[in-house]
Amino acid sequence: GAGVSQTPSNKVTEKGKYVELRCDPISGHTALYWYRQSLGQGPEFLIYFQGTGAADDSGLPNDRFFAVRPEGSVSTLKIQRTERGDSAVYLCASSLGPQATQYFGPGTRLTVL
Amino acid sequence: AQSVSQHNHHVILSEAASLELGCNYSYGGTVNLFWYVQYPGQHLQLLLKYFSGDPLVKGIKGFEAEFIKSKFSFNLRKPSVQWSDTAEYFCAVNEDTGNQFYFGTGTSLTVIP
Repeated sequence: GAGVSQTPSNKVTEKGKYVELRCDPISGHTALYWYRQSLGQGPEFLIYFQGTGAADDSGLPNDRFFAVRPEGSVSTLKIQRTERGDSAVYLCASSLGPQATQYFGPGTRLTVL
Repeated sequence: AQSVSQHNHHVILSEAASLELGCNYSYGGTVNLFWYVQYPGQHLQLLLKYFSGDPLVKGIKGFEAEFIKSKFSFNLRKPSVQWSDTAEYFCAVNEDTGNQFYFGTGTSLTVIP
């Protein structure tokens, strides 16, 4: 069956620009997570959605980062005024519930020049 | 905040050798513990998980892990590795009442045929 998909797979942008990263979770998964993985590091939690609401956004590094999930399925991570330090792989995962197995997508590699 | 330590950053083994990868975490309360694997060019996928019960858990592909509460550890083991086990391995911890998942920095395993 279809897994978690993320688009684009790669995104190159210039410092100061706005970017949107999309995540399509597995159908029926109510829980959705965004992570950021920098080179040589493990995934770092950003935000967790249960349904349409952001149940925990404590991992977002600052107010330039925002995520939505308006209909409880697809989610978009939005980054304003990108900085070079935002360069990383952004991972999305979905699960049937908050303590269930997470299924990860392939990630979006963001490069800020 | 939680921290997860994986002390082995890069491990090189010959086929049929035994494997043990260390994972320690910092939280003193009830935790859920996970090992994820990322094969070259693939997504992160779950190897095994511990929520409660028998502290020795078995996962896919012959892997197992033992939760030792007194040592705050959840080491991953495999008695005989194969070339196909070459991958990056991540330990992750989730506080039982929390939404965040904390990942270690990962261990890169190379198995030489």
